[in-house]
Amino acid sequence: DTGVSQDPRHKITKRGQNVTFRCDPISEHNRLYWYRQTLGQGPEFLTYFQNEAQLEKSRLLSDRFSAERPKGSFSTLEIQRTEQGDSAMYLCALSPTRSGLGSTDTQYFGPGTRLTVL
Amino acid sequence: QKEVEQNSGPLSVPEGAIASLNCTYSDRGSQSFFWYRQYSGKSPELIMSIYSNGDKEDGRFTAQLNKASQYVSLLIRDSQPSDSATYLCAVKIGTSYGKLTFGQGTILTVHP
Repeated sequence: DTGVSQDPRHKITKRGQNVTFRCDPISEHNRLYWYRQTLGQGPEFLTYFQNEAQLEKSRLLSDRFSAERPKGSFSTLEIQRTEQGDSAMYLCALSPTRSGLGSTDTQYFGPGTRLTVL
Repeated sequence: QKEVEQNSGPLSVPEGAIASLNCTYSDRGSQSFFWYRQYSGKSPELIMSIYSNGDKEDGRFTAQLNKASQYVSLLIRDSQPSDSATYLCAVKIGTSYGKLTFGQGTILTVHP
């Protein structure tokens, strides 16, 4: 158990539709990351939250992508006007809040949401 | 040059052998290094972290770090078929907020 759940686990949508994914930490983690992984590649960083503040965004995060973490707990990632190139696994990762639980650089991934855009 | 590079393989070893996985990185200021294992269709699972030069052992796994050569490796002793997976090297590049930069992964197959 990595301490994070993601919903939905699978999403199939038609091109042009909007989709929203959710990441729920089971326990308190102040650092939350979103990554995207396409077939045969390693995960690519999308964005980072410390508590409710979005502190870093990748250039991969186009205007069609938006992420929120309104109360510093769960986070959502929305993709508007989906394109076939958005098909990927979207991963949420958490870092421990306190170094006593392991390095605060260590990231634990949730199960991911697999998006297929037809 | 990619920031983190791995040989994509596939690497095939017989059961019981030592599997050696390699990774190089470009940023000399990097301080934190991680190995993840990923089974097909699943999310990455943390195996090892290493921060200092030298070896770090955990069960059948040994991570090795050489910052002068900008090289990190993972050795798997007594390889088992259940070790067959993609192994991802991840590096916290420079002074980033903690985002990890991943290599493309090495596919490992352990055959009986």
